[in-house]
Amino acid sequence: RKEVEQDPGPFNVPEGATVAFNCTYSNSASQSFFWYRQDCRKEPKLLMSVYSSGNEDGRFTAQLNRASQYISLLIRDSKLSDSATYLCVVNKISGGGADGLTFGKGTHLIIQP
Amino acid sequence: EPEVTQTPSHQVTQMGQEVILRCVPISNHLYFYWYRQILGQKVEFLVSFYNNEISEKSEIFDDQFSVERPDGSNFTLKIRSTKLEDSAMYFCASSERGSDSPLHFGNGTRLTVT
Repeated sequence: RKEVEQDPGPFNVPEGATVAFNCTYSNSASQSFFWYRQDCRKEPKLLMSVYSSGNEDGRFTAQLNRASQYISLLIRDSKLSDSATYLCVVNKISGGGADGLTFGKGTHLIIQP
Repeated sequence: EPEVTQTPSHQVTQMGQEVILRCVPISNHLYFYWYRQILGQKVEFLVSFYNNEISEKSEIFDDQFSVERPDGSNFTLKIRSTKLEDSAMYFCASSERGSDSPLHFGNGTRLTVT
């Protein structure tokens, strides 16, 4: 099983629609989870951290299911500027430290006018 | 907003040559990282650095790679003898509290080995 697995897409979605991405991770000891977005040939940028109770930031909602080792991202009222690749990111071990983060390959989202 | 800066933005080198990629992390961050992304592939962890030493490194980070923090601000990645397969985008990142906190990435150095 891949460490972090995502549907690569592309997801072609009309402007204003709601879209959801999923991600599964293999390391049950992981404690920190993030969604990053990456525009073409640019650096990854943090979109939001994912908390156990689920969290929302404007149009974006993230959920974590530890039992199923599953993370989701929901985007409501999608905008043209949401077009990007969305990266699911998980840390390797618990307790912080300088262990590297593991990135999924990303889900490519295209918002169509 | 403070940011991670990387230089150069693009480096072209011949196979077998040494390259040094430079980064200035965010000033109050304590953890530093190098990642790479081969075109069309995922972002891959190379190495993490804390308290002036390597904390963790991946299988990619072999003897050809080294990192240094030569002064209080710079963080460098050296590739001793570049190979064609080292061609990639190299991202430096820093964080306040390690992997429990978000990473802030620089805008990358595109390395092309010919």
